[in-house]
Amino acid sequence: SQTIHQWPATLVQPVGSPLSLECTVEGTSNPNLYWYRQAAGRGLQLLFYSVGIGQISSEVPQNLSASRPQDRQFILSSKKLLLSDSGFYLCAWSRTGTVYEQYFGPGTRLTVT
Amino acid sequence: KNQVEQSPQSLIILEGKNCTLQCNYTVSPFSNLRWYKQDTGRGPVSLTIMTFSENTKSNGRYTATLDADTKQSSLHITASQLSDSASYICVVSDRYGGATNKLIFGTGTLLAVQP
Repeated sequence: SQTIHQWPATLVQPVGSPLSLECTVEGTSNPNLYWYRQAAGRGLQLLFYSVGIGQISSEVPQNLSASRPQDRQFILSSKKLLLSDSGFYLCAWSRTGTVYEQYFGPGTRLTVT
Repeated sequence: KNQVEQSPQSLIILEGKNCTLQCNYTVSPFSNLRWYKQDTGRGPVSLTIMTFSENTKSNGRYTATLDADTKQSSLHITASQLSDSASYICVVSDRYGGATNKLIFGTGTLLAVQP
């Protein structure tokens, strides 16, 4: 069976500090991978998606970047965090060639102070 | 513009009661609609998925309906339990498929079941 992991679960970082959130998927090959952000009272906002190693598509211009160094590893980064980067970050995966059936990770709660 | 709107924003019910959550969408061409349950501080978990040709789908005490003509869906929860307290998110995708298409998420209905 497939599982998706995210860490850390919670993170408190000062403004201007760097960020690295990691997501890994087990039990599948060549998944599509996604990063979402969920602000309080808002719907999920797609930030990045990837269909393969090194292939990243950005949905919203912002202070964040993503990388996929391995087939089942997806990393969300920032060089300098802003207060507006606070939120709940979710990683998700879907099988190759489809976006409909997305499976979400447990999420990371990021608070920028 | 493709949008998914949910109502009510929040709902409080007593344990054992039934409730119905609503989802209206403007996504076109429509492919499928999914309801997710998201516990506080956790990732969403899929409850049901319906395609254009389906008008009802059940998963235990959860029953989703879809009217593709009026572009409306509802999620009915029967005999609610305390563990049903969560945010319920309606998600719609269009017919094009592939990773380049995005799911359109509603903002969710926050359900609180009280003893």
